[in-house]
Amino acid sequence: SQQGEEDPQALSIQEGENATMNCSYKTSINNLQWYRQNSGRGLVHLILIRSNEREKHSGRLRVTLDTSKKSSSLLITASRAADTASYFCATVGSSSNTGKLIFGQGTTLQVKP
Amino acid sequence: DAGITQSPRHKVTETGTPVTLRCHQTENHRYMYWYRQDPGHGLRLIHYSYGVKDTDKGEVSDGYSVSRSKTEDFLLTLESATSSQTSVYFCAISEEGKGNNQPQHFGDGTRLSIL
Repeated sequence: SQQGEEDPQALSIQEGENATMNCSYKTSINNLQWYRQNSGRGLVHLILIRSNEREKHSGRLRVTLDTSKKSSSLLITASRAADTASYFCATVGSSSNTGKLIFGQGTTLQVKP
Repeated sequence: DAGITQSPRHKVTETGTPVTLRCHQTENHRYMYWYRQDPGHGLRLIHYSYGVKDTDKGEVSDGYSVSRSKTEDFLLTLESATSSQTSVYFCAISEEGKGNNQPQHFGDGTRLSIL
């Protein structure tokens, strides 16, 4: 079964607006990662946040992690048309020693120019 | 971009035929993974490898086998393809790191259709 559940499933915004995507998971984790997938391509790693971290930034991306609620959010600020893609959260379980990822079903983001 | 090549990129075959997908990396990473991606299911792990000749099952391994005879190559085999195995297959690699805090790097996928 999937570890992560993402919300919303689809999001449509105007260029320049912020986009927020949420991810919830079920079991204790070692880390949580966010990936982007453009149509017809493989996934690209965006950011990794460890279980002992609460917030992380990378350029226009901001990720938060609340282990007490088993949830994470990805904020993309000042969105661009090129940000149009599907975004996935994925977790590595705290008992894993092989880095296996369990993915959510993803959020499809459309940024209108 | 990480040096990952999947082949073939597209394949159409008939039910009951054997199919082998290849993943080749030039990064010398220890870990390699095979996923399938289907609408409504996201990505699901089929098999993974943590070294040459060291493999293990993932979430959806039934009907699939893998082999890793060299660090750079990870093969996924469908011994007798079924229509339910129509999917997009992704290979991923990652380095060995402390606490598994390493990202995975993905190939561009193989689109497999089984008629």
